[in-house]
Amino acid sequence: DQQVKQNSPSLSVQEGRISILNCDYTNSMFDYFLWYKKYPAEGPTFLISISSIKDKNEDGRFTVFLNKSAKHLSLHIVPSQPGDSAVYFCAATRYNTDKLIFGTGTRLQVFP
Amino acid sequence: DAGVIQSPRHEVTEMGQEVTLRCKPISGHDYLFWYRQTMMRGLELLIYFNNNVPIDDSGMPEDRFSAKMPNASFSTLKIQPSEPRDSAVYFCASSSLGYSPLHFGNGTRLTVT
Repeated sequence: DQQVKQNSPSLSVQEGRISILNCDYTNSMFDYFLWYKKYPAEGPTFLISISSIKDKNEDGRFTVFLNKSAKHLSLHIVPSQPGDSAVYFCAATRYNTDKLIFGTGTRLQVFP
Repeated sequence: DAGVIQSPRHEVTEMGQEVTLRCKPISGHDYLFWYRQTMMRGLELLIYFNNNVPIDDSGMPEDRFSAKMPNASFSTLKIQPSEPRDSAVYFCASSSLGYSPLHFGNGTRLTVT
């Protein structure tokens, strides 16, 4: 039972354009969400997070949007750069637990 | 800070053999997690420890899998006997708080033939 879903296994975007990565979750008890980025042969690294009390969090070129009613979050990268090419994992958890549940990942390719 | 250190980086073994994966968390981190990455299921949580004590092992697929954390600076994940379907990348991660951003190692790519 996949509680966190990333339905797009891959995404290709031109440099300078916006990249939008999507994530859906099924557990309404989740109240904290994170995005991780993973380069080949490396472990995932933390990118940005959002609490369920917010609907938007921004950090430079990266913005995460949360729609609690739809159980949906998205990561926007503007403008996209070739160095952003990586696999992006969405993750969710509850504040009173320690378990971080990840999605299956979306491979982003940014081409010149 | 050297980060989370995993060894070996690659492991190739034959079906039925015992495999041991090792992890050194970041000093001062009280939480240690073992994840497995596959194409179909993404990053699956296998087990996690708090202060060296296993808290939740519900993600461990079978009794063939076991994990230990004898001290704050070392953990092992053992598979005995290994099977081809165990082939995956295994990640260790640590954190200072349970839900705070995890710091991952570079993983061990396991291939069971």
